[in-house]
Amino acid sequence: NAGVTQTPKFQVLKTGQSMTLQCAQDMNHNSMYWYRQDPGMGLRLIYYSASEGTTDKGEVPNGYNVSRLNKREFSLRLESAAPSQTSVYFCASSDLPTGIDEQYFGPGTRLTVT
Amino acid sequence: SQQGEEDPQALSIQEGENATMNCSYKTSINNLQWYRQNSGRGLVHLILIRSNEREKHSGRLRVTLDTSKKSSSLLITASRAADTASYFCATAPTPDSTLTFGKGTMLLVSP
Repeated sequence: NAGVTQTPKFQVLKTGQSMTLQCAQDMNHNSMYWYRQDPGMGLRLIYYSASEGTTDKGEVPNGYNVSRLNKREFSLRLESAAPSQTSVYFCASSDLPTGIDEQYFGPGTRLTVT
Repeated sequence: SQQGEEDPQALSIQEGENATMNCSYKTSINNLQWYRQNSGRGLVHLILIRSNEREKHSGRLRVTLDTSKKSSSLLITASRAADTASYFCATAPTPDSTLTFGKGTMLLVSP
């Protein structure tokens, strides 16, 4: 039981390049989330998927797209990376939707955009 | 926007001492959660306390909630070096809301 896994662990991009961050959970959870964490800040929600087949914007969705591929997988895509997207990205999942349940987090992807 | 705000921003104590962190929030809540983050790792859920609860315990952790003051506190008793981490509170105003995290308290426990 691996919990929530994320790939890659580290990535360096040049401005304008694109990439997809992958996330998978093996807990049969319904809801999945993408957050970013910047120094001195808490986590900010980018996008979430309350259930398979649905996605919704969070607090900071600009510059990102998501795909809920199936119940297990939720990917985050940066179409044209910008230095402001340098951050640590966390994927999380929960059984019940939104904020009424505890969330399980992956180990994070550290992204640098130069 | 940050709903919860932890205080203090940083706390340094010796092993064996108690550590208390506080979280204040602005609007009414459905529940409040505390998470721990070790350096370079993902967050780990510690405790969830609902708006109709006043206190919850889990091992060496004690969480209180005062909805009249819109505040919560996390007490770690008999701290250990392994408790060194950042601690975040997160709130959900309604059952349909997503969680909003505070900026965290960085706890350093020295041997």
